Amino acid sequence: QKEVEQDPGPLSVPEGAIVSLNCTYSNSAFQYFMWYRQYSRKGPELLMYTYSSGNKEDGRFTAQVDKSSKYISLFIRDSQPSDSATYLCASSYNQGGKLIFGQGTELSVKP
Amino acid sequence: EAGVAQSPRYKIIEKRQSVAFWCNPISGHATLYWYQQILGQGPKLLIQFQNNGVVDDSQLPKDRFSAERLKGVDSTLKIQPAKLEDSAVYLCASSFPGLAGDRTGELFFGEGSRLTVL
Repeated sequence: QKEVEQDPGPLSVPEGAIVSLNCTYSNSAFQYFMWYRQYSRKGPELLMYTYSSGNKEDGRFTAQVDKSSKYISLFIRDSQPSDSATYLCASSYNQGGKLIFGQGTELSVKP
Repeated sequence: EAGVAQSPRYKIIEKRQSVAFWCNPISGHATLYWYQQILGQGPKLLIQFQNNGVVDDSQLPKDRFSAERLKGVDSTLKIQPAKLEDSAVYLCASSFPGLAGDRTGELFFGEGSRLTVL
């Protein structure tokens, strides 16, 4: 079993839709949870960062972590074509420690 | 601020040949990582350096992969001999430990070096 599991998609939505991206993880020792966005032929870039359980909101993006169910979510409101990318969830045991990535979900937002 | 620089961007070799990738991290970043990203998968850590020293190389196939970080700045990753399954994007990342707040431990990635082994 992979430590971080993510539905690879692809996921296609119309512009303006609400997008829900999800991951599950198996190791209860994970404390830090991140979402990275990766455009085609580019390196990943940090989108959201959460410590332990709870919600975090940044503009159109909301990240949720439920440690009781080992579930990580990213919501994108009012999705835009520029949001078309691969979204990678990642977890780590400690700050600056090794990141364990999910497989990534490819998202396409159609105008 | 300049980002993480990697070269070459693309490399095509035949199996059993050797290849080397170079990475220049963001100035002042003490921690440097090499990740392997196979098509359709998430990045997998190969090796992590803290300054000159190796922090984690548990997933580095040491019979064919080697990496060094001289003087705690630039790094090279070498594969010798290459296998078909080494076809992937090799991502270098750096971070600044101790950065406080929401960006704690944020990894800054380069654009990657895409390797094709024929």
